[in-house]
Amino acid sequence: EPEVTQTPSHQVTQMGQEVILRCVPISNHLYFYWYRQILGQKVEFLVSFYNNEISEKSEIFDDQFSVERPDGSNFTLKIRSTKLEDSAMYFCASTLVLPYNEQFFGPGTRLTVL
Amino acid sequence: GQQVMQIPQYQHVQEGEDFTTYCNSSTTLSNIQWYKQRPGGHPVFLIQLVKSGEVKKQKRLTFQFGEAKKNSSLHITATQTTDVGTYFCEGGSTLGRLYFGRGTQLTVWP
Repeated sequence: EPEVTQTPSHQVTQMGQEVILRCVPISNHLYFYWYRQILGQKVEFLVSFYNNEISEKSEIFDDQFSVERPDGSNFTLKIRSTKLEDSAMYFCASTLVLPYNEQFFGPGTRLTVL
Repeated sequence: GQQVMQIPQYQHVQEGEDFTTYCNSSTTLSNIQWYKQRPGGHPVFLIQLVKSGEVKKQKRLTFQFGEAKKNSSLHITATQTTDVGTYFCEGGSTLGRLYFGRGTQLTVWP
């Protein structure tokens, strides 16, 4: 069964460093998303991406964040200068066609900022 | 700004008892999705509701979308230990943004 994959599973970084979180959505999916979940809290929408551009972004997704689909398979989230409060689990998700169909989530990348 | 409020935050039930979680939005939603997240896992899609007043069933799970498309509920009949996890609603706004509820953490005692 096709699945969304994410690498790395755990990323530890120093405050102020840049990190890139990588996702490989399901191959025929067209809509891509990033979410984050701070430990013990709810899942928060960051950004949606379609047709090589951002469709929607939340207030959390400020200038520190950027997304890219550098090739036909990867979907990346970059955090330019990490802060302690960026520590969270970051989930990537994708959907087939419409933006609100079933979202398939990846296993997540746990980001720890020291 | 728009929010999706979800209650209760925690629910502990005896196996066999029913369980309900509720989501309310401050504004009208385009649609609502429900997810289940097991401890340490990622959200797994359960269902999507789009129409006003819609009711959908999946075995022991019943999902409802309110007439005003501002509230939704998930009801589990006769809970089992396999139902343990956190249940999230996710509302889609008319502007295309997505809002997760805080989640209801369900514990089922055997």
